[in-house]
Amino acid sequence: KNEVEQSPQNLTAQEGEFITINCSYSVGISALHWLQQHPGGGIVSLFMLSSGKKKHGRLIATINIQEKHSSLHITASHPRDSAVYICASEAGSYQLTFGKGTKLSVIP
Amino acid sequence: EPEVTQTPSHQVTQMGQEVILRCVPISNHLYFYWYRQILGQKVEFLVSFYNNEISEKSEIFDDQFSVERPDGSNFTLKIRSTKLEDSAMYFCASRGRGPSSAFFGQGTRLTVV
Repeated sequence: KNEVEQSPQNLTAQEGEFITINCSYSVGISALHWLQQHPGGGIVSLFMLSSGKKKHGRLIATINIQEKHSSLHITASHPRDSAVYICASEAGSYQLTFGKGTKLSVIP
Repeated sequence: EPEVTQTPSHQVTQMGQEVILRCVPISNHLYFYWYRQILGQKVEFLVSFYNNEISEKSEIFDDQFSVERPDGSNFTLKIRSTKLEDSAMYFCASRGRGPSSAFFGQGTRLTVV
């Protein structure tokens, strides 16, 4: 059974700080997804990656397949980045197994 | 930008009543999903749907649940006889052919009283 663990559970940062959220998973996967959930509840897909690194604006996602580990980085954090960031693994059947999420609060 | 649309955004129902949650996936997508999130907990997979049939379902998706794609555009989740523990946010998602990101709807918050 695939388990997805995220750390930290909660993270408070000052505006401008560099942020890292970590994700580990227990079985081989076909892809790893990073998603963002805002207080209203809606979920937005940020990245899907199966190897290496992807960048979109101030967001960077990396994955190490051998270590079964992925990280999401936010550079120059801003209060509008405040949200829950969720890591989810995909293992062949296209369904996602979600982590519990990391609640990020960026303070001005 | 294309989006997944869910209705209603919030539904309150009495225990034992049937509810139907509706979703309009992105038009050229092939894979459709329902997920749920109980308040304060992680998102959980319920069911996936491909080629007009269920491709996979979780232990949560018991006989009280069913899905349909009645007219080629809508994708519905029916709960036959709701229980208090069915109270949750229900998310519909869709994705296209091959490896691709999933697109999620805004969710339907179901409250069973």
